[in-house]
Amino acid sequence: KAGVTQTPRYLIKTRGQQVTLSCSPISGHRSVSWYQQTPGQGLQFLFEYFSETQRNKGNFPGRFSGRQFSNSRSEMNVSTLELGDSALYLCASSRGLRTSFGPGTRLTVL
Amino acid sequence: TQLLEQSPQFLSIQEGENLTVYCNSSSVFSSLQWYRQEPGEGPVLLVTVVTGGEVKKLKRLTFQFGDARKDSSLHITAAQPGDTGLYLCAGTPPRSNDYKLSFGAGTTVTVRA
Repeated sequence: KAGVTQTPRYLIKTRGQQVTLSCSPISGHRSVSWYQQTPGQGLQFLFEYFSETQRNKGNFPGRFSGRQFSNSRSEMNVSTLELGDSALYLCASSRGLRTSFGPGTRLTVL
Repeated sequence: TQLLEQSPQFLSIQEGENLTVYCNSSSVFSSLQWYRQEPGEGPVLLVTVVTGGEVKKLKRLTFQFGDARKDSSLHITAAQPGDTGLYLCAGTPPRSNDYKLSFGAGTTVTVRA
């Protein structure tokens, strides 16, 4: 059974640019969540999508947005990148009591 | 401010020793999960506990959920170098109908051969 996949794995951008990250959940999982992981703040919840609807949102600025498609695949977008956006972005798919994380996308903003 | 406080932050032990990691909160959780994360990878779910007082065992790992569902512990017996990693606890608030997880800051465990 395939796990959660995220693309790309690594990304380097400059300040002011925008970026789109992609996540394919485990087959049958309708919930997709996104987290930002940094050494200083740890894992912080960004948002969760369920059946194409945003069900919950963390405390991040509006530059961070996401969406979910009918096949449950999800994308998150960060506009006007700042240096502080450098982080590991993790996608998680959930069903029942089981949550599985993808390997993450390492974003570096220069 | 982390909703879940993990201690210790770092733990370095010799192979064969035992270790315990704690996860505490002033809030009640409907369920609590433990993950292990290795560098450059996403967290891997180890266990989910949902009942106050529950104890789960996974080979050499023992997980306990506090009676009041506010705290949890992870105990590793006879640690091995393969147990090295970042251990994270994460909780789901009660009466939650979504999958938003609140994470602790993590405990970095190093097991020396």
